[in-house]
Amino acid sequence: QVQLQESGPGLVKPSGTLSLTCAVSGGSISSNNWWSWVRQPPGKGLEWIAEIYHTGSTTYNPSLKSRVTISMDKSKNQLSLQLSSVTAADTAVYYCARGLIVGGTTNFDYWGQGTLVTVSS
Amino acid sequence: DIQMTQSPSTLSASVGDRVTITCRASQSISSWLAWYQQKPGKAPKLLIYKASSLGSGVPSRFSGSGSGTEFTLTISSLQPDDFATYYCQQFGTFGQGTKVEIK
Repeated sequence: QVQLQESGPGLVKPSGTLSLTCAVSGGSISSNNWWSWVRQPPGKGLEWIAEIYHTGSTTYNPSLKSRVTISMDKSKNQLSLQLSSVTAADTAVYYCARGLIVGGTTNFDYWGQGTLVTVSS
Repeated sequence: DIQMTQSPSTLSASVGDRVTITCRASQSISSWLAWYQQKPGKAPKLLIYKASSLGSGVPSRFSGSGSGTEFTLTISSLQPDDFATYYCQQFGTFGQGTKVEIK
């Protein structure tokens, strides 16, 4: 059973950089899957942020692309997210998720439990 | 960019009701649509993928249909555990969600 666990600071100052890690267990991050970050502001809907494949290929949400970096460490079986120049609008629960490749798209079949990141001084 | 529009935003129903949620894409996405269920404080759960394929361990009262630009998620007989928010998804775009409430 694949399990994902997000970790990182729960509070980030405005204009700072949000950094999160997702540890994957029960499966390899080098498997035939994409690995994504998805966020959800309090009381609102889901927003996909970025994805990465074990070859190093990445795809980003155009609305966040200039501020986001997704990466992976195969030796630690984990992925990471960095979001720079954060504002209060970046306050959200951040999820990592495994992307199941289904034909021409990916669907998220395993999710972490999510971690709340608050942007505030 | 493809936009996904769900309707209704909120739905009030009773246990045993048949419930249908609609998701419309701004352009054809073939059958590449998924549905998720999310309960408060929990991560989303994959219910349906490729428009009509049931996710692992998902009860058979859930079904999906549609292709092109219009899709539906149907719950044949609403159970107490089904009161939640449902999202459709096509690649990097989610619908805005439909909250299923107790009537």
